[in-house]
Amino acid sequence: DTAVSQTPKYLVTQMGNDKSIKCEQNLGHDTMYWYKQDSKKFLKIMFSYNNKELIINETVPNRFSPKSPDKAHLNLHINSLELGDSAVYFCATTGVNTEAFFGQGTRLTVV
Amino acid sequence: SQQGEEDPQALSIQEGENATMNCSYKTSINNLQWYRQNSGRGLVHLILIRSNEREKHSGRLRVTLDTSKKSSSLLITASRAADTASYFCAFAGLTSGTYKYIFGTGTRLKVLA
Repeated sequence: DTAVSQTPKYLVTQMGNDKSIKCEQNLGHDTMYWYKQDSKKFLKIMFSYNNKELIINETVPNRFSPKSPDKAHLNLHINSLELGDSAVYFCATTGVNTEAFFGQGTRLTVV
Repeated sequence: SQQGEEDPQALSIQEGENATMNCSYKTSINNLQWYRQNSGRGLVHLILIRSNEREKHSGRLRVTLDTSKKSSSLLITASRAADTASYFCAFAGLTSGTYKYIFGTGTRLKVLA
């Protein structure tokens, strides 16, 4: 069983489109995150949810809207995609003072 | 920037040599972790060290933490070609009751056979 699963693994889409990335965890953790890894391989936190509540919202354009329907899911919806949104997006989850478990990433390419 | 700094940015060594990479951060932390990322792949957790620990070992990995200097180092001994990857530190501080994991800038390690 995969602890953190993201779908899709690859996403190629045109500028201006709206797309969603889904994340599910089966670890029973309360906290989930979205990270963006850019072309320089820097990993930056975007959002953090704790028990379905938004806790951390870094400086991210409001075209990005996370949604947590329940504790096991944190989806990322992106409106009006731009070329600069091309990156690998990682979902992660943590327990209390534990390691972070990451999904395998979603490689988003905006053309 | 809250992002942690890692150095060196890139490291190239011969198989069998030791590799050391360093991570510095600016905030108070609860724990610090090291991850490996192979090219085009996901993040693999290597080791976690808590803020009250100074050193930890796992196989060929040795991690140190100096909270007074806000720095950590990862040592890989007797490196192998398979160790070629990018290595990231991630430090966790408590923000609004939630652990916020901030990543370092990464060190790209290349081990030559």
